[in-house]
Amino acid sequence: GAGVSQSPSNKVTEKGKDVELRCDPISGHTALYWYRQSLGQGLEFLIYFQGNSAPDKSGLPSDRFSAERTGGSVSTLTIQRTQQEDSAVYLCASSLSHVGAYEQYFGPGTRLTVT
Amino acid sequence: GENVEQHPSTLSVQEGDSAVIKCTYSDSASNYFPWYKQELGKRPQLIIDIRSNVGEKKDQRIAVTLNKTAKHFSLHITETQPEDSAVYFCAASTGGTGRRALTFGSGTRLQVQP
Repeated sequence: GAGVSQSPSNKVTEKGKDVELRCDPISGHTALYWYRQSLGQGLEFLIYFQGNSAPDKSGLPSDRFSAERTGGSVSTLTIQRTQQEDSAVYLCASSLSHVGAYEQYFGPGTRLTVT
Repeated sequence: GENVEQHPSTLSVQEGDSAVIKCTYSDSASNYFPWYKQELGKRPQLIIDIRSNVGEKKDQRIAVTLNKTAKHFSLHITETQPEDSAVYFCAASTGGTGRRALTFGSGTRLQVQP
């Protein structure tokens, strides 16, 4: 079946503009995660959605970052008033949620460049 | 919160040799420890994982060991091949209950010399 998909694959924006990044999880996966990977660095957790529960936003670096998940499927990560330090690859992952289902599968990422 | 340390940051081995990457974690509640392989410009791919109720897991040339008392876990790759060259990330979480988001190590760049 289809894996996690993300769009756009690349986004170049000017400092101060808003951007929206999209993630389509694997069908049937009720858990969805956003991570950020800066150049040559590890992955940093941003936000986690689990079914209809309130999202875990503890990783969001500032109030310029927000995310929503509509209908329990597609998610959008929004960055307002982008800064150069926001330049990174934004990765989405999804997983099943039942007990014992821990594996997270990643999408190809969106490479964001803020000029 | 959880903190994961990973060593070494770079590792170069000759083809056919073994490679070992080590990680330590801080949160004793963590119970799920995956390893991801990331090739240049590609997404991270899950290659093996281990849960806290076992001490070792093996899949062909790859094995992972876990020492819960010492809070460390390791990835072992035997008979390395050039296609094993990539960046490897360890991670930890309280999968299943509590916080399921992964905390990642900083990565190990493995280079296998033919």
